[in-house]
Amino acid sequence: SQQGEEDPQALSIQEGENATMNCSYKTSINNLQWYRQNSGRGLVHLILIRSNEREKHSGRLRVTLDTSKKSSSLLITASRAADTASYFCATDGGGSYIPTFGRGTSLIVHP
Amino acid sequence: KAGVTQTPRYLIKTRGQQVTLSCSPISGHRSVSWYQQTPGQGLQFLFEYFSETQRNKGNFPGRFSGRQFSNSRSEMNVSTLELGDSALYLCASSSQGNNSPLHFGNGTRLTVT
Repeated sequence: SQQGEEDPQALSIQEGENATMNCSYKTSINNLQWYRQNSGRGLVHLILIRSNEREKHSGRLRVTLDTSKKSSSLLITASRAADTASYFCATDGGGSYIPTFGRGTSLIVHP
Repeated sequence: KAGVTQTPRYLIKTRGQQVTLSCSPISGHRSVSWYQQTPGQGLQFLFEYFSETQRNKGNFPGRFSGRQFSNSRSEMNVSTLELGDSALYLCASSSQGNNSPLHFGNGTRLTVT
């Protein structure tokens, strides 16, 4: 079963706009990770945020974590057509460090 | 460093056959994990190997097995293939496995007819 679930399932925006994706999970975690997957390819690690962190930045990416609400968000600022991909959150938890992935958010950025 | 390499890239097999997939991790990475990705179930964890030992196992039938060699390369085997085994099989390596980011290969696309 999925630990994390992303929302929305699909997102379509114009180049230059910001994209926000959310992830909710069920059990307490040690860390939460975000990955990107281009069509037919493997996943690429974006950011890891630990349970004692509230916000993390990497380039145009900003991740927040609210452990009280068991949720995280990924913000991509000034999106580009090349950001078109599926985005997954992955959480450990339930006594295991094995990352469990949600079903992903499909992001389309129109040029 | 070279990335995670998975071979073959595509496979077509018939029901009842068996298949072996191969994964070469990033040099120095000792943990190798396998995931099955399907449109219906998403990414499902199969198993993780560390230093030639299976350290974690997902909820898959015994037809799914794997192993890791002393050079950290890993193989997974699926016997008695079923139509539902059609999926993208992803291998990921990490330095320790424990709370370390995963580095994925581009996967093997298996089609069972």
